[in-house]
Amino acid sequence: EPEVTQTPSHQVTQMGQEVILRCVPISNHLYFYWYRQILGQKVEFLVSFYNNEISEKSEIFDDQFSVERPDGSNFTLKIRSTKLEDSAMYFCASWSVRDRGRGYTFGSGTRLTVV
Amino acid sequence: SQQGEEDPQALSIQEGENATMNCSYKTSINNLQWYRQNSGRGLVHLILIRSNEREKHSGRLRVTLDTSKKSSSLLITASRAADTASYFCATVGSTLGRLYFGRGTQLTVWP
Repeated sequence: EPEVTQTPSHQVTQMGQEVILRCVPISNHLYFYWYRQILGQKVEFLVSFYNNEISEKSEIFDDQFSVERPDGSNFTLKIRSTKLEDSAMYFCASWSVRDRGRGYTFGSGTRLTVV
Repeated sequence: SQQGEEDPQALSIQEGENATMNCSYKTSINNLQWYRQNSGRGLVHLILIRSNEREKHSGRLRVTLDTSKKSSSLLITASRAADTASYFCATVGSTLGRLYFGRGTQLTVWP
């Protein structure tokens, strides 16, 4: 079964530092997403990406966040200047129209801890 | 808000029993999805039900959808200890739209 791969699995960073979370979506998928889950809270949508541009973003996805598809396989989420409240599990997901009738495929997540 | 909300927040049962989790939402949807999350792990898609469907089965899973009541239920039959996880419903307003997750039901199945 194809998988979405996320690296690293756990990252600890100092407040104010920049972090890049990496995702390798399923190879024939064209729709990509980032979600986050603060400990004990709901999974929240951050951003969706299609055709090399953001198609939708939430109010959480402010100027300190950015996404990029630097090559044909990776999809990254950058947080420019991390805050304590950015500590969360970050999930990448991908989807294809061929999966119509099926849900998104999520990666195992990156646990980001800001200290 | 479109967000789904699960009920109960926690459910504890014995192996072999059935587990039923409910989800309510507020606005019209394109589809509703159920996901499972083992502690500290990623989300695994279980089943998707479209707004024009009323019931769907997949193995030991049975999902119902009542759009008039804006509610869905997930039934896991003959539960196993390995079913212990958090279960989330997520609603989608349009085909490619964002998922709106509920807080989840923590299911514990005792051997």
